[in-house]
Order: sequence, then C-alpha cells, then structure tokens
Amino acid sequence: EAGVAQSPRYKIIEKRQSVAFWCNPISGHATLYWYQQILGQGPKLLIQFQNNGVVDDSQLPKDRFSAERLKGVDSTLKIQPAKLEDSAVYLCASSVAHSKNIQYFGAGTRLSVL
Amino acid sequence: AQSVTQPDIHITVSEGASLELRCNYSYGATPYLFWYVQSPGQGLQLLLKYFSGDTLVQGIKGFEAEFKRSQSSFNLRKPSVHWSDAAEYFCAVGAGGGYQKVTFGTGTKLQVIP
Repeated sequence: EAGVAQSPRYKIIEKRQSVAFWCNPISGHATLYWYQQILGQGPKLLIQFQNNGVVDDSQLPKDRFSAERLKGVDSTLKIQPAKLEDSAVYLCASSVAHSKNIQYFGAGTRLSVL
Repeated sequence: AQSVTQPDIHITVSEGASLELRCNYSYGATPYLFWYVQSPGQGLQLLLKYFSGDTLVQGIKGFEAEFKRSQSSFNLRKPSVHWSDAAEYFCAVGAGGGYQKVTFGTGTKLQVIP
C-alpha cells in the first residue's frame, strides 16, 4: 500500500514570495490533515479536511495561508506572501474516517524563507 | 481543550540501557493516546496507541507504554535501547467522537551513545 506522498521535499523562497505544497493521501482515506512543524516543536494542526469539506481551520493564518482538497483526494496548501516565520516542515497526514485518530504521515516539505 | 506535556526535551542513554520517556496529558474524558517517532528528514511513524482496555500496550520496535489514569500519564518504555532508536519521540492525545483532533507534545529528542 502506497503511503502519503508529498512534494516538493524542499523549497527555498524569499519573503513575500508565494509557495505551494502538494499532498496525495493514502487511497481511501477520507480525512486529510496539514500540520506545521517548526524546528524544536511538535506538529501543529493547520487544517483538517473530511472528504473535500473543512472540519477545522482554526489555526490556519487565513490572511496568507489557503488550502483546498478538490474531489476529496489530493490537496494543496499555499502560502502567499511568505514570511520568515513560515520556515518550517509542512506535514500532510491522512486517516480513515472514524479510525480513532490513527494518522499516517508523509515525509514532509521543508520550507526555508530567506 | 486537550494538551500534552513532554517534560524532557533531550535524553541521552547508552546503548543497551533501558529507556523511559515521560508524557502527561490533559483531557476531560478517556483519551486516545499515541506515541510517534520521527527520524531526521522523515515524517512521523506510529509506535503504539491506547484506546481502552489493558493499560499496558505493546508497540513496534520493542516499545511499550503504560496508561495511568490517576497520574494522567502515558510513559513510553524500552528495556534495551539500540543505536537505531535515536530519533525524536512525540506523545499525542486525541479526542473521541466524529471530530478526530489530535494534539501533539513538543517532543523528546533521544540520543544513544555507544
């Protein structure tokens, strides 16, 4: 069974530029999560989708971050414009709906904002 | 709201020695509890989980954890550490019900010395 796929693995941009990350969850997983992991910290949930609907985006900085999950499968997270403090690893995870929170993670995208 | 505390930021153990990583949680009902491991440049991998029943749970790679409701703890243990166990370990607590929010601790970085 293929795991959660994320691309790119690394991205370096300058502040005020835009960037997009892509995630393809495990086939059949209805729930998709985007996390931000700043160096030295645990993952922080940015947004959670159930199929193509948003369940929780309370910690998503909506003035600069956006995410979509068209057709309830893969997802894109965008930052525009980026700030220095957005430097982090962006992790995507997926789970089967009602699976008692067992999440499967991708390898992440490491973003450096200069 | 749920929360997780991992009091040890960094732990160093000798190869072959026993290991215990501490985790304390805060949640109003019976929680779902998890331990994940993250190797450098990788996503998080589930080590073990507690939902209900037997308070001592076994996981992969020889790890186990014990749920102690009276202490609000879910400590991770391994009787004999291998050099390949060097990684960062995250404790997480999940809410039940249809909304599957998971909150992660800040992590404990494990260093193994020969």
